[in-house]
Amino acid sequence: GQQVMQIPQYQHVQEGEDFTTYCNSSTTLSNIQWYKQRPGGHPVFLIQLVKSGEVKKQKRLTFQFGEAKKNSSLHITATQTTDVGTYFCAGVWPYGQNFVFGPGTRLSVLP
Amino acid sequence: DTEVTQTPKHLVMGMTNKKSLKCEQHMGHRAMYWYKQKAKKPPELMFVYSYEKLSINESVPSRFSPECPNSSLLNLHLHALQPEDSALYLCASSQEAGTGVYNEQFFGPGTRLTVL
Repeated sequence: GQQVMQIPQYQHVQEGEDFTTYCNSSTTLSNIQWYKQRPGGHPVFLIQLVKSGEVKKQKRLTFQFGEAKKNSSLHITATQTTDVGTYFCAGVWPYGQNFVFGPGTRLSVLP
Repeated sequence: DTEVTQTPKHLVMGMTNKKSLKCEQHMGHRAMYWYKQKAKKPPELMFVYSYEKLSINESVPSRFSPECPNSSLLNLHLHALQPEDSALYLCASSQEAGTGVYNEQFFGPGTRLTVL
């Protein structure tokens, strides 16, 4: 079935450094969503990207959707300890398999 | 109210037991979901209900039986589970769901299930 890949699997950064996670699908997506899951918590919705080439910002977070709607990225500027958690992308396809989470990128922020 | 509630928080059951997980939302959402999440893995979609009808069953074994009594409630009935079914079971809801159409999902805190 359809799937999305994410890299890196883990990322350790010093507080204040930037962080980026990438998400890729082999087939064109309808849209892509991003979720954050804190340790011991549940996934929390961050954003949905629908349009080709779309860029959205939420404070220190910048989300991009590729022109071909096959890849996406999440960039965090000047990480803080509150950014710790696993960031999942979730792909939605126009046909076939419906809604699939990527494997996630686990972010650790060292104070 | 933007909360999805799930009960119980923890459940330990034997392989011959029958138990149920419950989920409730009062956001007027018409789509509700069950996910299974193993440690250090992403949530795996199990079932989707849209307008109280089962719209997606991701080839889940019949020992898991979902039920949607009304638009606010979602149950997951468990019977004859295996130890490998031990996981965090997450419920979620969204405004709508359908092929190529998925809105923002609100997740509950989950039920941590252990099968002995």
